[in-house]
Amino acid sequence: DTTVKQNPRYKLARVGKPVNLICSQTMNHDTMYWYQKKPNQAPKLLLFYYDKILNREADTFEKFQSSRPNNSFCSLYIGSAGLEYSAMYLCASSRGTFYEQYFGPGTRLTVL
Amino acid sequence: GDSVTQTEGQVTVSESKSLIINCTYSTTSIAYPNLFWYVRYPGEGLQLLLKVITAGQKGSSRGFEATYNKETTSFHLQKASVQESDSAVYYCALGSTNSAGNKLTFGIGTRVLVRP
Repeated sequence: DTTVKQNPRYKLARVGKPVNLICSQTMNHDTMYWYQKKPNQAPKLLLFYYDKILNREADTFEKFQSSRPNNSFCSLYIGSAGLEYSAMYLCASSRGTFYEQYFGPGTRLTVL
Repeated sequence: GDSVTQTEGQVTVSESKSLIINCTYSTTSIAYPNLFWYVRYPGEGLQLLLKVITAGQKGSSRGFEATYNKETTSFHLQKASVQESDSAVYYCALGSTNSAGNKLTFGIGTRVLVRP
């Protein structure tokens, strides 16, 4: 099974409220990624976990948090949503950081 | 930094005709990056279509081909005869390495619509 699952598929949030997105995989992959995809823009890497080590991109360092309570689950947390957070959020996983990434279907977040 | 530029917008092509999606890359982090094409079919997640890790080599999958050309820093995707089922969004991506590991830098994506 090469499925990466994301919940929810659609999320509506209010400005200033927190948002928590969930990703899971059962492939025993040690690396999990979060990307942000906006219309007419390329998917942009936000952060990734290699095992228990979190690596965040410099330009989004303060905007997103993440946790990985076990190998299978990874969350993306926004403490206070702004309109600019409206986007598709893609989760992916891989065996190590040098191998093929498997993507989930995405969570579409709309902030109002 | 790293960047990927690919054919923008939508490409419409008739079934059985040829298709080419242009992709060029730029990188300052690695001399010979790994290059990928990912595809997103309607209702599905991104999935790997093909990859090439050695300059000068060609990758192929599902009738698609792409050649890693380090002289022109290009990785164009081609198919000689498309089918309706090839309608999807195609993303060119570059794999580079930093101290934390490998990361993918994507292009903006090209939507392909194949008309019957």
